[in-house]
Amino acid sequence: EVQLVESGGGLVKPGGSLRLSCAASGFTFSNAWMNWVRQAPGKGLEWVGRIKSETDGGTTDYAAPVNGRFTISRDDSKNTLYLQMNSLKTEDTAVYHCATYGGSYSSGWYFDLWGRGTLVTVSS
Amino acid sequence: QSVLTQPPSASGTPGQRVTISCSGSSSNIGSNTVNWYQQLPGTAPKLLIYSNNRRPSGVPDRFSGSKSGTSASLAISGLQPEDEADYFCAAWDDSLSGWVFGGGTKLTVL
Repeated sequence: EVQLVESGGGLVKPGGSLRLSCAASGFTFSNAWMNWVRQAPGKGLEWVGRIKSETDGGTTDYAAPVNGRFTISRDDSKNTLYLQMNSLKTEDTAVYHCATYGGSYSSGWYFDLWGRGTLVTVSS
Repeated sequence: QSVLTQPPSASGTPGQRVTISCSGSSSNIGSNTVNWYQQLPGTAPKLLIYSNNRRPSGVPDRFSGSKSGTSASLAISGLQPEDEADYFCAAWDDSLSGWVFGGGTKLTVL
């Protein structure tokens, strides 16, 4: 079955750290560009960042609110995506989803497959 | 405050046609394709429309998308109770070098 399953969420104090994982199955993870997208309680979706496949350089891009605090990495041998979150703020409280890219340069890109997400609560 | 602007709510009765708008700017919708996602309560978002007007396999043809200039629209015809969900538009923003989303529209089927 093609799926993404996030884990690692929980309650953390402001200034703390947390590492999220996203386990992929049913597709060739090593070829996939992967994203993290978050959704604050009762709010809309917000892109966190992405990592390209190693074949395409493995580089990362981040949204401005998390740049310098969050780090996306991947372990293709484990079919797993990670999100290391440091210096957490209360405004980082959200459900964090991982998502794959679909599409192409010619037709445009989109988030193809999503995980159900893991809740991160930043509170004292 | 979301970069893309959507109405917070929309409603219709079964069988009706409903449209949801998404307004952006030249750096996002004006220069890149628009995607739409459906999020049923308590579930992950699901791709509904990609590349402005294309439907993934399995999405009923009751759902259609369009784009003109810096705005896009999602139309749902023959509204059904199971269409009650949140709908989000999204596009890549060249100025921000990242994806931007609309704030979401909660569709109620009366």
